[in-house]
Amino acid sequence: GAVVSQHPSWVICKSGTSVKIECRSLDFQATTMFWYRQFPKQSLMLMATSNEGSKATYEQGVEKDKFLINHASLTLSTLTVTSAHPEDSSFYICSASPLGTSGHNEQFFGPGTRLTVL
Amino acid sequence: QKEVEQDPGPLSVPEGAIVSLNCTYSNSAFQYFMWYRQYSRKGPELLMYTYSSGNKEDGRFTAQVDKSSKYISLFIRDSQPSDSATYLCAMKQAGTALIFGKGTTLSVSS
Repeated sequence: GAVVSQHPSWVICKSGTSVKIECRSLDFQATTMFWYRQFPKQSLMLMATSNEGSKATYEQGVEKDKFLINHASLTLSTLTVTSAHPEDSSFYICSASPLGTSGHNEQFFGPGTRLTVL
Repeated sequence: QKEVEQDPGPLSVPEGAIVSLNCTYSNSAFQYFMWYRQYSRKGPELLMYTYSSGNKEDGRFTAQVDKSSKYISLFIRDSQPSDSATYLCAMKQAGTALIFGKGTTLSVSS
C-alpha cells in the first residue's frame, strides 16, 4: 500500500517550453501533496505544499508563476514548469500524506522525475 | 548553522559490518524523526519513523533518537550489498514540512 507514482519519469525539453509533471497516489487519498527538488549530491528541498482544492503554499525563493501547481483531486497533483531554462534541470519528487494523517506525519514519496532542459 | 546536519560520506564497509549513520539538529521542537533510503535516480523510501525519543527496531535496522543531545542514529546490522544507497534523515514538528539532511552515501562491498 501507500504507492505514489509520477509521470513522466524522465523528460528532456528545449529552453522556453513548459513541462507538466503528474503525481498520483494510487491506493490512498491524499489531502496534502508536497513537491521537492533535488540537485545532484544535494538533499531534497521543499518547493511547495499543495492542498486539494486550494492554492499551493510556496517556500521562500520559489517562483509561483514559474512552478504552477494544481491539486484538483485527492489523488492527483500536477507541477508545471513554465518557460523552462537549463538551470531548472533537476530531479523533481512529489510526496503525499494520506487523508486523516494529522500534521502530515506520514509522507510517501514518488519515484521522481528527471528534467533536463537543453 | 543548518537545521539538520548529516555527514555526506561516502561510507564504505564490507558485507556483514554494522553501519552507524547519524544526524544532528538544532531545532528542539522537532518531534518526528524519519530515515529514508534513496537509490540512485529513485525517490526516497521510508525506512524508519520515530516519534520523540527512544529506540525502534525493524529487522536489521535500529533507529535511535536522543532529544536531549539533538542527535539521531540509524544502525544497520549484517549489512548487505543491497543496502548500498543514500540514507537521508528527516525530521519535523507537527503540521510542518519535513526537513532533510544532505544524505549519507553508503557502499557495502561483497
